[in-house]
Amino acid sequence: DGGITQSPKYLFRKEGQNVTLSCEQNLNHDAMYWYRQDPGQGLRLIYYSQIVNDFQKGDIAEGYSVSREKKESFPLTVTSAQKNPTAFYLCASSLNPGTGGLYQPQHFGDGTRLSIL
Amino acid sequence: AQSVAQPEDQVNVAEGNPLTVKCTYSVSGNPYLFWYVQYPNRGLQFLLKYITGDNLVKGSYGFEAEFNKSQTSFHLKKPSALVSDSALYFCAVRDGNRGSSNTGKLIFGQGTTLQVKP
Repeated sequence: DGGITQSPKYLFRKEGQNVTLSCEQNLNHDAMYWYRQDPGQGLRLIYYSQIVNDFQKGDIAEGYSVSREKKESFPLTVTSAQKNPTAFYLCASSLNPGTGGLYQPQHFGDGTRLSIL
Repeated sequence: AQSVAQPEDQVNVAEGNPLTVKCTYSVSGNPYLFWYVQYPNRGLQFLLKYITGDNLVKGSYGFEAEFNKSQTSFHLKKPSALVSDSALYFCAVRDGNRGSSNTGKLIFGQGTTLQVKP
């Protein structure tokens, strides 16, 4: 079955530590997205990538970094600069909006819940 | 700027009764509208979308939504609620203008918790 796999499901971060959240998709989608979900605030866009080796900051990129070396993979690193990392992180993918993907929904993984130790 | 408002944090309805979850939007171009559902500790599942055409769109699990351009609304509806419909629902909008500057970003509302009681 095609889909998006996020791992781990739960992650704990120590003070001063960087942690990396994995996101892999086998839907052959060009575009991938990272969102942060906090209670009562909906989803906020952290970073997105429309093509391999290219990515753009979203609305709340400070304290986060990404890479896009392969089409299937879009890992997110939560750095020690992110002072309030406790949240539910969701990865999504879609067809490229610039080539017909505007009409299509984004597909989501099942998330990673990050907490501070 | 694009925005989505879901004016109700929670909607309570009895099983078997009709349900409505409200959504209003603001976008500069043509709106492409989406509804998603989220169960606890899961990702978002796509329910339905409006791109163009008939204002009443039908989606998964018996849900439908009505697009109203004059009221800039896209309310989610179901004629008869089930206890299993209890979840968090998100409305999202994308600017449908096909210019090269359009990144296709989805803007989400804050979410509405639907509670269906037996």
